Amino acid sequence: GEDVEQSLFLSVREGDSSVINCTYTDSSSTYLYWYKQEPGAGLQLLTYIFSNMDMKQDQRLTVLLNKKDKHLSLRIADTQTGDSAIYFCAEKRGGFKTIFGAGTRLFVKA
Amino acid sequence: NAGVTQTPKFQVLKTGQSMTLQCAQDMNHNSMYWYRQDPGMGLRLIYYSASEGTTDKGEVPNGYNVSRLNKREFSLRLESAAPSQTSVYFCASSEYGMTKTEAFFGQGTRLTVV
Repeated sequence: GEDVEQSLFLSVREGDSSVINCTYTDSSSTYLYWYKQEPGAGLQLLTYIFSNMDMKQDQRLTVLLNKKDKHLSLRIADTQTGDSAIYFCAEKRGGFKTIFGAGTRLFVKA
Repeated sequence: NAGVTQTPKFQVLKTGQSMTLQCAQDMNHNSMYWYRQDPGMGLRLIYYSASEGTTDKGEVPNGYNVSRLNKREFSLRLESAAPSQTSVYFCASSEYGMTKTEAFFGQGTRLTVV
């Protein structure tokens, strides 16, 4: 099917690590993305990973890609209250088609 | 430092009314997109414009039309609004397609059709 699936909610304590998971369907996807949406704002690209990579690290963010299981995860180390937002997983397929998940709402408790 | 600007931010329409959502980008991007965001669902592509002078249907084009007025502007028109079109609409732009280069999104238009 078309779906990119994510759990809808995640709650963590400030300072803990957050792990947001995503499964996608198209094994031919070239790029996989994580976008962040803060209240009242549009989406902002947080990070991306090319499909021939297993892992990408960028400061507090670690992206893991398991192509066999079509599973993508985003780990946020030392989660802060400012990380509270909705996180969208997305996969780029052919042409201009980018499929987005429904988003995971991250709550960070102080 | 405007990026992608959408107007209006909020709109309430009666069923059957028409309206145009405006979008402009100042980054000299070739590609522009219109998405809708519904609760519990991902963003769904309505229409896109790969480059100035071209437009193509996305996943959910029914009930909408678009115009790529020039390189900067891409408008979305609802000819006869229906309650099913109640949603948050996002315009986005990118250099060419949505590859590894960043796609920039506007702040969204929250549309309610009653």
